[in-house]
Amino acid sequence: KQEVTQIPAALSVPEGENLVLNCSFTDSAIYNLQWFRQDPGKGLTSLLLIQSSQREQTSGRLNASLDKSSGRSTLYIAASQPGDSATYLCAVEKTSGSRLTFGEGTQLTVNP
Amino acid sequence: GAGVSQTPSNKVTEKGKYVELRCDPISGHTALYWYRQSLGQGPEFLIYFQGTGAADDSGLPNDRFFAVRPEGSVSTLKIQRTERGDSAVYLCASSSQPGLAAEQFFGPGTRLTVL
Repeated sequence: KQEVTQIPAALSVPEGENLVLNCSFTDSAIYNLQWFRQDPGKGLTSLLLIQSSQREQTSGRLNASLDKSSGRSTLYIAASQPGDSATYLCAVEKTSGSRLTFGEGTQLTVNP
Repeated sequence: GAGVSQTPSNKVTEKGKYVELRCDPISGHTALYWYRQSLGQGPEFLIYFQGTGAADDSGLPNDRFFAVRPEGSVSTLKIQRTERGDSAVYLCASSSQPGLAAEQFFGPGTRLTVL
């Protein structure tokens, strides 16, 4: 059974810092990995999707990497801003179109 | 609308009652998913539809939970004889044709509270 772990559970940083969020998964046979952002009381917003054949994806200040063989992904946020404060979730998909298995998330607070 | 919509946004019910939660996916998306999220946890999979049929319902916790998607668009999640442990946020997601590394796009969720 696939298990997804995110470290740290919570992170508080001053504005402007670069930071890394970690995600690990136990079964390396995945189709893709997706990073999401969730604001309090809201649904999930997709940030980046990395296919299993890819090693990284970038969108603005966000960069996500994937090392499938070691079962790890990282989300790098450059020059963090207070508006980045949210919970970040990673999720893996085993086969195309199948369920997502989520980690418990990292709650990020960026202090002005 | 452009995104996934869910109604109601909040539902408060009493233990033992029946509830229906509705999901309206992005137009043209053939795949539809239901997840459940408890406080402080990541979402947990419930059921996945491809078109009108349930392709994977292995996440439904018991036979009190049932979902339909009769015309391949809107889906309804039905919970019979609700229990306090059913209290959670129920999230719906949709994606375009599988096989294209399609992202799942999520709705805002329905917060269900069973008193």
